[in-house]
Amino acid sequence: AQSVTQPDARVTVSEGASLQLRCKYSYSGTPYLFWYVQYPRQGLQLLLKYYSGDPVVQGVNGFEAEFSKSNSSFHLRKASVHWSDSAVYFCALSRNNYAQGLTFGLGTRVSVFP
Amino acid sequence: DMKVTQMPRYLIKRMGENVLLECGQDMSHETMYWYRQDPGLGLQLIYISYDVDSNSEGDIPKGYRVSRKKREHFSLILDSAKTNQTSVYFCASSLQGASERLFFGHGTKLSVL
Repeated sequence: AQSVTQPDARVTVSEGASLQLRCKYSYSGTPYLFWYVQYPRQGLQLLLKYYSGDPVVQGVNGFEAEFSKSNSSFHLRKASVHWSDSAVYFCALSRNNYAQGLTFGLGTRVSVFP
Repeated sequence: DMKVTQMPRYLIKRMGENVLLECGQDMSHETMYWYRQDPGLGLQLIYISYDVDSNSEGDIPKGYRVSRKKREHFSLILDSAKTNQTSVYFCASSLQGASERLFFGHGTKLSVL
């Protein structure tokens, strides 16, 4: 069975500082990996997606993520955060079979303070 | 316009009442999903629909059923709602499988008293 672990439930960071959110996955094959963001009272929105190729993938709003097969990880980074980045961030995994749905981590709540 | 629309946004029901949550998408996506989101449990998949009248159970289907009679509409039905079905329900759609980007609605917050 597949699983996604986000070890940090909450992260607090100052505006302008860098951000790293950790994600570890468990899956025997090669998964599709995603980061989604959820702003208050909204649905989830895709930040970025990885399946193959360059292990560093660029997303929207200055986010990037790095895939490591050896560490079974897919960490999200941003060089300089803005107060509007305050949200809940979800790492997710999709098996490479048709329409199996996504398996989500529990999410990391990010609070950006001025 | 690339939207997933959920109705209603908020709903309060009494235990034992029937509940209908509706979802629409304007992207002609084949695949649609219902998830519920609970604190400490994250998002859990209830049902997947691959197309009209082609539905499959997700991880937590008990107590729910779905209906998809048109590609753009996907309904979640709770027959005789229970208090433990209080949650936020999200509908999502994707072009085909979950390897594609999922588009989410804003969610329906259901309280069963």
